Amino acid sequence: NAGVTQTPKFRILKIGQSMTLQCAQDMNHNYMYWYRQDPGMGLKLIYYSVGAGITDKGEVPNGYNVSRSTTEDFPLRLELAAPSQTSVYFCASRPSGNSPLHFGNGTRLTVT
Amino acid sequence: AQSVTQLDSQVPVFEEAPVELRCNYSSSVSVYLFWYVQYPNQGLQLLLKYLSGSTLVKGINGFEAEFNKSQTSFHLRKPSVHISDTAEYFCAVSVSGGGADGLTFGKGTHLIIQP
Repeated sequence: NAGVTQTPKFRILKIGQSMTLQCAQDMNHNYMYWYRQDPGMGLKLIYYSVGAGITDKGEVPNGYNVSRSTTEDFPLRLELAAPSQTSVYFCASRPSGNSPLHFGNGTRLTVT
Repeated sequence: AQSVTQLDSQVPVFEEAPVELRCNYSSSVSVYLFWYVQYPNQGLQLLLKYLSGSTLVKGINGFEAEFNKSQTSFHLRKPSVHISDTAEYFCAVSVSGGGADGLTFGKGTHLIIQP
């Protein structure tokens, strides 16, 4: 049982480049989330989804986009990368709103 | 909206000593509470959760936490720590009954175990 899988593990981008962070879960969870983690700041919610075809903004959505075409996948798109997007990105999922989150191992992104 | 305050950014403690990591929350509605642990270069793992019932919650690795509604606290404790407990610990809250927008996290407490 793989759980939540994130790819890539590490990435370096130049300012203005774009990329997609991949997230897949094999637990048939309806709810999926993207967080970013910055040192000393905890985790901030970027976007979330309660099911295929449904997405919504979190606390810090600017500069990001998401899509949810299937239950399993929830990719996060960065357009025009900026140094402020240097962070560790975590994808998480859960079966319902009452359940704990299951996290992937993160993607460490550096924008220079 | 909910918020979480973890009162200590770092807690150094000697091996085999007890430890308490403090967490206070703010919410106008009933909440669920969670503690997660993050080891270096890994994702977050659930330590324990409070949804309802007994206010003393036991989790993995010998940790426990007590929900105190009057003091809006959910402090994490362990009677005797080991080197392997060195990690970042996060307290988190969500709306009771299920909030679609995930959990609100505190800023984390770095537990440093000294031999």
